Amino acid sequence: EAGVAQSPRYKIIEKRQSVAFWCNPISGHATLYWYQQILGQGPKLLIQFQNNGVVDDSQLPKDRFSAERLKGVDSTLKIQPAKLEDSAVYLCASSLRTESSYNSPLHFGNGTRLTVT
Amino acid sequence: AQTVTQSQPEMSVQEAETVTLSCTYDTSENNYYLFWYKQPPSRQMILVIRQEAYKQQNATENRFSVNFQKAAKSFSLKISDSQLGDTAMYFCAFMKPGWLYDMRFGAGTRLTVKP
Repeated sequence: EAGVAQSPRYKIIEKRQSVAFWCNPISGHATLYWYQQILGQGPKLLIQFQNNGVVDDSQLPKDRFSAERLKGVDSTLKIQPAKLEDSAVYLCASSLRTESSYNSPLHFGNGTRLTVT
Repeated sequence: AQTVTQSQPEMSVQEAETVTLSCTYDTSENNYYLFWYKQPPSRQMILVIRQEAYKQQNATENRFSVNFQKAAKSFSLKISDSQLGDTAMYFCAFMKPGWLYDMRFGAGTRLTVKP
């Protein structure tokens, strides 16, 4: 079984620039998550999709962050414009979670390390 | 709101010895799920072990076992016969039942296994 794929692996940008991250979940996983992991902290949820619909984006800084999951498969997370405090690892995860199998664990990708200078 | 606390930022253990990582959580829910994830330098979060709150029996996975104390809201991870490959960040995580909810993580414990 192929895992969650993310790209790029690393990205360095200057503040006020834009950046986009891509995620391909495990085939058949309806639920997709984007987490932000700041150095020394645990992952924090940014947005959760169920198929191509947003379930929870309450912690997404919507003035600069956006995410979409067209066709309910791949997803992109964009930051525009980036700030210094956006430097973090951005993790994508997917899960089989549905109403009937809601305790399925999350499977994570390798993440994208973003450095904003 | 659910919170997860890991009070040990760093720990070390000698190879082949046993180490216990602590985790406490706060919730008003009666049914929920608890997880331990391992994050090596590759950054990928790898599921180590999971526990369902309605099960009294502690989960075990080979060298990994948990001590789940529901009344105390404690969920510690014991690693037996530590190996060099166990060196990583370990995150405790909490999840409410229901597909609408995400997983909440603690701040992590950095474990170093020394040869």
